[in-house]
Amino acid sequence: NAGVTQTPKFRILKIGQSMTLQCTQDMNHNYMYWYRQDPGMGLKLIYYSVGAGITDKGEVPNGYNVSRSTTEDFPLRLELAAPSQTSVYFCASSYGGVQYFGPGTRLTVT
Amino acid sequence: AQKITQTQPGMFVQEKEAVTLDCTYDTSDPSYGLFWYKQPSSGEMIFLIYQGSYDQQNATEGRYSLNFQKARKSANLVISASQLGDSAMYFCAMRGLFNAGGTSYGKLTFGQGTILTVHP
Repeated sequence: NAGVTQTPKFRILKIGQSMTLQCTQDMNHNYMYWYRQDPGMGLKLIYYSVGAGITDKGEVPNGYNVSRSTTEDFPLRLELAAPSQTSVYFCASSYGGVQYFGPGTRLTVT
Repeated sequence: AQKITQTQPGMFVQEKEAVTLDCTYDTSDPSYGLFWYKQPSSGEMIFLIYQGSYDQQNATEGRYSLNFQKARKSANLVISASQLGDSAMYFCAMRGLFNAGGTSYGKLTFGQGTILTVHP
């Protein structure tokens, strides 16, 4: 089991560019989540999904979009990147309440 | 609304000693879960321990135990026999409920974290 995998590990974007952060899990979990972690802070929920085809906004959804066409994949799309989106992004999946996290993607917008 | 508070930005402990990391929470949900995660300098989030709000006994996982005091709304993490590898950021989190399509699902709210440094 690879668990939760994320790509890329690091990325530098210019202001206004777009990109997709990939997240895949092989545990057949229905619930998946995207968080961002700003320096020295805890994680904040961006979007979540409770199954294929079902997504909803978390605390800080502005500037992001998601889709969930399969159980395994939950990509996060950044449109028109802004410096405020510089952060570490974590994807997680859960079963039985415990969330298992991917290794994170460190994104810098300059 | 749910809130998690970790009042210790940093803690220091000697190797082999025990240390307690504080966490208080606030929620109006009758059912909730409390979690502790470890984030080493490499950045990954590692699940350590879980306590359900209706669990009668405090959770334990190896050297980790959760001191759950429901009336005080606290869920402190106790690490016994600290090791150098325990040096990391520790996050307390609470699973509340959010509604989607009429069904409730778990959502984690995180505290700001405590940096633990273990000295040899």
